[in-house]
Amino acid sequence: DAKTTQPPSMDCAEGRAANLPCNHSTISGNEYVYWYRQIHSQGPQYIIHGLKNNETNEMASLIITEDRKSSTLILPHATLRDTAVYYCIVLPHWAGNNRKLIWGLGTSLAVNP
Amino acid sequence: DAGITQSPRHKVTETGTPVTLRCHQTENHRYMYWYRQDPGHGLRLIHYSYGVKDTDKGEVSDGYSVSRSKTEDFLLTLESATSSQTSVYFCAISESTRAGETQYFGPGTRLLVL
Repeated sequence: DAKTTQPPSMDCAEGRAANLPCNHSTISGNEYVYWYRQIHSQGPQYIIHGLKNNETNEMASLIITEDRKSSTLILPHATLRDTAVYYCIVLPHWAGNNRKLIWGLGTSLAVNP
Repeated sequence: DAGITQSPRHKVTETGTPVTLRCHQTENHRYMYWYRQDPGHGLRLIHYSYGVKDTDKGEVSDGYSVSRSKTEDFLLTLESATSSQTSVYFCAISESTRAGETQYFGPGTRLLVL
C-alpha cells in the first residue's frame, strides 16, 4: 500500500493557484516528501522535496504541516501546461539499498482556460 | 535533462517470445529502476538495481528478470512475453546525496504483446 493518500482528481482555473494536498500520516522522522508530475505519456518529472521546512523553487512551493502528517504542493499561477498527474511520495534520507518505492495513483490536475 | 535513454521506444511482439528492454544512463548514478505503468495502477516497481550485479525485486517482478553488468546499462527481460505484460515501461535512475535523492525518468517504452 502507498504511504501517501491523494485525491484522485482536481480542477483549477488558468492563472489561479493550484493547491494539491497529500496525506502521509505514517511518515517517519527521516523520510522526505517528494513531489513529481507526469504530463500525458511522458516519464515523471521531479518538482520539489522537503523534510519539515517549507520549500520553494522555480516550479512550485511545498508546505509541510508542523506534525509532518500532510503537505500541500502549490503551483502559484497554474497554466494549461501544468495539466498532469501529480505524485506525492515519501523516501527515507540515505535510504540504503531498500528501494521498494510505492508511488500510488497521484492526483490528476486539470487546468481549465 | 538527465542522460537516460530507453530502447526500443516502441515494440510489438507475440505471446511467448522473449523481449529485452534496455536502459542506458550517462550520469553514473548508482540506482536504476524499472517500472511499468498501466491505466488504473499508476507506476509499479518491477525490479531495481543498487550497483553492478546487485538487483532486487519490486512489487510486480513475476515474469521479469533484470541484469546490470555495467553501471550505465540496466536490462529488463521478459523471458516469454504474455498479453498481461502489454504496458508502458519506464526506466529511472537516482543517486543519494546530502540534499536528498531525485529520480530521473527515461522517455518510456511502449510494449504491445499480441
